[in-house]
Amino acid sequence: ETGVTQTPRHLVMGMTNKKSLKCEQHLGHNAMYWYKQSAKKPLELMFVYSLEERVENNSVPSRFSPECPNSSHLFLHLHTLQPEDSALYLCASSQAGGGERDIQYFGAGTRLSVL
Amino acid sequence: GNSVTQMEGPVTLSEEAFLTINCTYTATGYPSLFWYVQYPGEGLQLLLKATKADDKGSNKGFEATYRKETTSFHLEKGSVQVSDSAVYFCARIMKTSYDKVIFGPGTSLSVIP
Repeated sequence: ETGVTQTPRHLVMGMTNKKSLKCEQHLGHNAMYWYKQSAKKPLELMFVYSLEERVENNSVPSRFSPECPNSSHLFLHLHTLQPEDSALYLCASSQAGGGERDIQYFGAGTRLSVL
Repeated sequence: GNSVTQMEGPVTLSEEAFLTINCTYTATGYPSLFWYVQYPGEGLQLLLKATKADDKGSNKGFEATYRKETTSFHLEKGSVQVSDSAVYFCARIMKTSYDKVIFGPGTSLSVIP
């Protein structure tokens, strides 16, 4: 596989469920990102990991919990979500400090619906 | 401030029409500028970039010129195709502890045959 892969592509969950979104990058990058994309709203940066350390957390509610076990994998653990959390969740990666470090590569996203 | 503003969509054009999507930014200094594109059902992907004033980025027939005088980076294409239907995001870099990308709100383009 190449690029950035996100699973699952679609997820429906109830407000009391616990689920996890997975992102894997095969580009050798060392920075990974979670974004939320809602209809009619700008892209929202949620979390950033650089060299496996979290470097940004944009006031995201605690019902979203990120995990970055290594530079190739990123998870977003979800619990007790609200209907307004329904959105497309995008993962991206980049090479911090590299020659093309300012370019982000995105996965296709997980379409989440919270019932 | 550190923001990116784009013209509101949606934009609907006929095939072979000329496309312009306006983008302006606010920044101190001269950050790298980008256009990303999101095709239906996909994530964003880089379309083109420019790293300094007067640079022209180009790809797939699209062009954008970094204009420091007007702090703009307008996207143009001379003849659009149905396959260009997508959402286009203007973006800039903001230097922090990592290279943070500030995205504009996106402009949806529909090209009809």
